[in-house]
Amino acid sequence: EIVLTQSPGTLSLSPGERATLSCRASQTVSSDYFAWYQQKPGQAPRLLIYGASSRATGISDRFSGSGSGTDFTLTISRLEPEDFAVYYCQQYVSSPLTFGPGTKVHI
Amino acid sequence: QVQLQESGPGLVKPSETLSLTCTVSGGPISSSGYYWGWIRQSPGKGLEWIGSIYFSGSTYYNPSLKSRVTISVDTSKKQFSLKLTSVSAADTAVYYCARQTYYYSSGSLGYMDVWGKGITVTVSS
Repeated sequence: EIVLTQSPGTLSLSPGERATLSCRASQTVSSDYFAWYQQKPGQAPRLLIYGASSRATGISDRFSGSGSGTDFTLTISRLEPEDFAVYYCQQYVSSPLTFGPGTKVHI
Repeated sequence: QVQLQESGPGLVKPSETLSLTCTVSGGPISSSGYYWGWIRQSPGKGLEWIGSIYFSGSTYYNPSLKSRVTISVDTSKKQFSLKLTSVSAADTAVYYCARQTYYYSSGSLGYMDVWGKGITVTVSS
């Protein structure tokens, strides 16, 4: 099973600042099989990025994904108030599909 | 656009069977290129993929739950269902259904692009 580790666990930032979230995999993951999700309290996760760097439909270009191998990054270029949430990474290169523990971005 | 809605009991007794249904609206369930999955979220274990099913009935399960899980599909009702047997407090979670992409070239499941709102299931006597 591929274990995903996210850092930091919590990120305290202000609107307008840049957020950099990291996800490290315990084994090499093809960048074609890596995703990021956003989750707000009381809501389901929402797909942000798939294939490591492709934005999902309707996702702002403030969100960008990068990385390969075992290290992946989600960058939010300029935080808006609605971006404060928990972000999860996910690999789908091998079964079982696994998620990271999440990074909480808060003010 | 496609929408998913989970339904089922919010309270299940220990050792009994948890049964949930997901209803698909706004699009076909018999859509090539998509599987239909179940994911749960608990404070202790975070997001956990349970398993996924194709409209033909082909399934993938998480090995950690495989002995207790059955996922089935009813295309006439545009529904797919989850059964989890012998539940315990550890199965208390929010359960989500989701649409999941599928990569024919590699035979791999993909990301979840549409999610239901989730249903809270508590296991308690």
